[in-house]
Amino acid sequence: EADIYQTPRYLVIGTGKKITLECSQTMGHDKMYWYQQDPGMELHLIHYSYGVNSTEKGDLSSESTVSRIRTEHFPLTLESARPSHTSQYLCASSDPHGLESSYEQYFGPGTRLTVT
Amino acid sequence: KNQVEQSPQSLIILEGKNCTLQCNYTVSPFSNLRWYKQDTGRGPVSLTIMTFSENTKSNGRYTATLDADTKQSSLHITASQLSDSASYICVVSDRGSTLGRLYFGRGTQLTVWP
Repeated sequence: EADIYQTPRYLVIGTGKKITLECSQTMGHDKMYWYQQDPGMELHLIHYSYGVNSTEKGDLSSESTVSRIRTEHFPLTLESARPSHTSQYLCASSDPHGLESSYEQYFGPGTRLTVT
Repeated sequence: KNQVEQSPQSLIILEGKNCTLQCNYTVSPFSNLRWYKQDTGRGPVSLTIMTFSENTKSNGRYTATLDADTKQSSLHITASQLSDSASYICVVSDRGSTLGRLYFGRGTQLTVWP
């Protein structure tokens, strides 16, 4: 079982509220990722980070923002939640120093966000 | 366009039976292919990872195959159990990207009935 954690697991919130989804890992991984997944659909990369003070946008445009002040912590923030943000958000991390053939992304349990 | 297609979209089998899930991809260049299991409301968990030179890899009752020439992979589940009910996701990684870009399929939703 991977040591990557997400809180909250479930969140129901009203439109216009500011929310932060927490993600932390204790494996010392430099690379971290945020994915968005709708039911029955593939995962879409929305943000990633190579390390502290490094953040990049992913393939899917997202109104969320991320920060990486500490290696183990990669929070995602929505300044003003909207119903269109309703989705599952998955955090992952990986170790870039391993062999590419054994390169692995470890996923957290996810946060199910519902914006009413 | 780099894509990963999985079939069937959903599958129902009886406990104890075997099944095979399919994955076709167009990702190029190719680095490796993984199969993940995702339980409802959970994050994906890796089952197998195969590189270009590997054509079969087993993990308990799960056996994955890879044909890099035809760009096809399959995941065979033997003697299915109720706990096998989950979404099985095929993920392909391209070579040459420092990010190790992953391309995800939509998954096959497997339901095992008693």
